[in-house]
Amino acid sequence: EIVLTQSPGTLSLSPGEGATLSCRTSQSVSNSYLAWYQQKPGQAPRLLVYGTSNRAAGVPDRFSGSGSGTDFTLTISRLEPEDFAVYYCQQYGGSPLFTFGPGTKVDIK
Amino acid sequence: QVQLLESGPGLVKPSETLSLTCTVSGGSISNYFWNWIRQPAGKGLEYIGRIYTGGTPNYNPSLRGRVTMSVDPSQNEFSLRLTSVTAADTAVYYCARGGIVGAPGLYFFDYWGQGMQVTVSS
Repeated sequence: EIVLTQSPGTLSLSPGEGATLSCRTSQSVSNSYLAWYQQKPGQAPRLLVYGTSNRAAGVPDRFSGSGSGTDFTLTISRLEPEDFAVYYCQQYGGSPLFTFGPGTKVDIK
Repeated sequence: QVQLLESGPGLVKPSETLSLTCTVSGGSISNYFWNWIRQPAGKGLEYIGRIYTGGTPNYNPSLRGRVTMSVDPSQNEFSLRLTSVTAADTAVYYCARGGIVGAPGLYFFDYWGQGMQVTVSS
């Protein structure tokens, strides 16, 4: 099983600040296989980024993804009030076919 | 716009079988992979498995032996059955679309249902 580790567990920031979220995989994964999701309380996850760096339809350009190998990053350039949420990374491959990281909570400082 | 909606009992007794259906609207169920994912309260996401029309399902090994998925193209829906449930199976269950059959590179979930709380309790 490919294990994903996300850091930090919680990020306390103010609106307007930038956020850098990390996702590390226990084995090297193809860039095509890494995605990021945003989840707000009581809602289903929302796809933000796929293939490491491709924004999903309708996702603001303040969200960007990067990385390769075992180290991947989601960057939010300037936090808007609606960006405070939990963020999950997800990889494809191995068994089980998909795995998720434990999440990073971005909350208001 | 593709929409997914989970349905089924919200309360299941221990040792019994959890059965959920996901109805897809706004698009055909054919040619896509359809997935189940669950999330215990306050915890992260756990992948359950996927199915597609005419193909072999793929299940999370941690649940193998208890999980069965099926798809009904005539009703544009797919289903999950989880047997011998315990309190550890209490979670919000999501159905989600993930990738196009035969099209590599689409390894993510782009449409999700709203989620259905299933509680295992006597």
